[in-house]
Amino acid sequence: AQSVAQPEDQVNVAEGNPLTVKCTYSVSGNPYLFWYVQYPNRGLQFLLKYITGDNLVKGSYGFEAEFNKSQTSFHLKKPSALVSDSALYFCAVRPGTDKLIFGTGTRLQVFP
Amino acid sequence: GAVVSQHPSRVICKSGTSVKIECRSLDFQATTMFWYRQFPKQSLMLMATSNEGSKATYEQGVEKDKFLINHASLTLSTLTVTSAHPEDSSFYICSASWGKEGADTQYFGPGTRLTVL
Repeated sequence: AQSVAQPEDQVNVAEGNPLTVKCTYSVSGNPYLFWYVQYPNRGLQFLLKYITGDNLVKGSYGFEAEFNKSQTSFHLKKPSALVSDSALYFCAVRPGTDKLIFGTGTRLQVFP
Repeated sequence: GAVVSQHPSRVICKSGTSVKIECRSLDFQATTMFWYRQFPKQSLMLMATSNEGSKATYEQGVEKDKFLINHASLTLSTLTVTSAHPEDSSFYICSASWGKEGADTQYFGPGTRLTVL
């Protein structure tokens, strides 16, 4: 079965420190990879996506993600975390034109 | 750009009544719209995919007669929960995409919190 794993339910980081939110996937073929962020009682906001090309993708709000084909991973990163980055982050994978498959989400908590 | 709105943001209704939720793409034409359901502290579950002018494609286990979806124009899709029951209480989120390709980004609305009493 095709799946997306976000192994950490919560990630805690101090403001100003780098952050990483992990995502691995198990799907057939060469999927498209996405990261979204959700604030409380809100919909999802698109951060970035990988289609092809450079493995390092830059997105909104200073976030970036690194695609690693051999490890089937697409970890989200930011060099310097802000308190306002605290939210729920979803990794999503789309095999071709099939539906988006979401991970279970990782709650990021940035402490001042 | 790529803004998607939903209305209402919150609705409370009595058991047995029907509720309509609107999803609009405000600054682009959405060839495809999606309806998701999100339970507390859980991920999103795709309910159905709708393409403008054609019937929606429902995911396995989603009752098409209960969750009526209409994609009447390139900027509007509606989800009607018919004869709502307390177990239908949830957070419903729509998304819209201007294309049908897998690489096309889905832009999400802010969600609608449905509470059925």
